[in-house]
Amino acid sequence: GAVVSQHPSRVICKSGTSVKIECRSLDFQATTMFWYRQFPKQSLMLMATSNEGSKATYEQGVEKDKFLINHASLTLSTLTVTSAHPEDSSFYICSRLEPRNYGYTFGSGTRLTVV
Amino acid sequence: GDSVTQMEGPVTLSEEAFLTINCTYTATGYPSLFWYVQYPGEGLQLLLKATKADDKGSNKGFEATYRKETTSFHLEKGSVQVSDSAVYFCALSEGNTPLVFGKGTRLSVIA
Repeated sequence: GAVVSQHPSRVICKSGTSVKIECRSLDFQATTMFWYRQFPKQSLMLMATSNEGSKATYEQGVEKDKFLINHASLTLSTLTVTSAHPEDSSFYICSRLEPRNYGYTFGSGTRLTVV
Repeated sequence: GDSVTQMEGPVTLSEEAFLTINCTYTATGYPSLFWYVQYPGEGLQLLLKATKADDKGSNKGFEATYRKETTSFHLEKGSVQVSDSAVYFCALSEGNTPLVFGKGTRLSVIA
């Protein structure tokens, strides 16, 4: 089964509301996780690096107040899209870092549609 | 900064054809190299990886060799199947940094 569980897989929300996406590391204590955004037929764009117990590091151009990332435990990182707008509609994917084997495992992604 | 360039698609092949997807990279140090596959509506799955020069990663009939002299990590498969239809991403990382992805290559295999 999936060792990185991302939930929900799909969500539709109204403009102005907030949506929380969860990313759980099921078999491994993940100190570092990454959040990506993917537009249709495009590559993955790194949004931020999430470190357990500290503030996330955001990439240039990513609004910190709009995309709230919390990594409160070694098994859970969350991304909250606040005051969502239609242009936030996208595919969001989390990933965890596995330092010992130079690996990265991805969640199954969340399709967000803002109407 | 680091970057990955991979051949643009889409690539359309007949079943049992030979596949090559080119990937070259630019890096300041000695990166690890990866190929990921994404099926429609899903996240990314690791296909194979190589962590040092001359290493060959292989999985499910796919292979790629880490060529430091040409800074390349081309993906190959001798005989593709319809089930291989997906988007393939070449990526690199240096140490524990986030992955840097190429733009992806969409592969369609027709029966």
